[in-house]
Amino acid sequence: DVVMTHSPLSLPVTLGQPASISCRSSQSLAHSDGNTYLDWFQQRPGQSPRHLIYQVSKRESGVPDRFSGSGSGTDFTLKISRVEAEDVAVYYCMQRSYWPHTFGQGTKLEIK
Amino acid sequence: EVQLVESGGGLVQPGGSLRLSCVGSGFTVRNSWMSWVRQAPGEGLEWVANVEPEGIEKYYVDSVKGRFSISKDDARNSLYLQMNSLRVDDTAVYFCVGWSTENIWGQGTRVTVSS
Repeated sequence: DVVMTHSPLSLPVTLGQPASISCRSSQSLAHSDGNTYLDWFQQRPGQSPRHLIYQVSKRESGVPDRFSGSGSGTDFTLKISRVEAEDVAVYYCMQRSYWPHTFGQGTKLEIK
Repeated sequence: EVQLVESGGGLVQPGGSLRLSCVGSGFTVRNSWMSWVRQAPGEGLEWVANVEPEGIEKYYVDSVKGRFSISKDDARNSLYLQMNSLRVDDTAVYFCVGWSTENIWGQGTRVTVSS
């Protein structure tokens, strides 16, 4: 199975400052169809997960443009340009290039 | 409002069975890949199973193969997860997830396996 590894696991950030979360896969997520199926999800306390990013860098409808995704191969990053209070959540990467699909263990973003 | 609503969770003894249901509202199960994802208490997310739009191809995480079965009923706009031979480590909130032009998650249904 493809192992997804987050870093850091905990991320204290000052309001208005940028934040960056890394996700590394145990093998390349480049699919034979030419796409890379790497998603990012946000789970606020007590809520269901929310889809933020698909195929590495494409924002889901309604997601603020302060969220951006990048990367290729085995290394991926979720960036928040200016953290707001509503961004307090656990962020998960997930790969859908291989079966079984697998999530990272998550990064907990908190306000410093 | 576009939503998925799960039901069927509860308390069951080890070795028992449960059938989870998920009904779409404003979301068409027929045309979509559908998934079940679970989250054990205080833990992260774990993908459990997928079914493709035609309902024929199905995929499972190894830990549930042979025990869980995913299915869909397009006429009822519903997704199901039949869970047999339940184990204590199946205890989790189970989310129904739809993949279409947007990705939709239900609110989850709690399954507790305990004697």
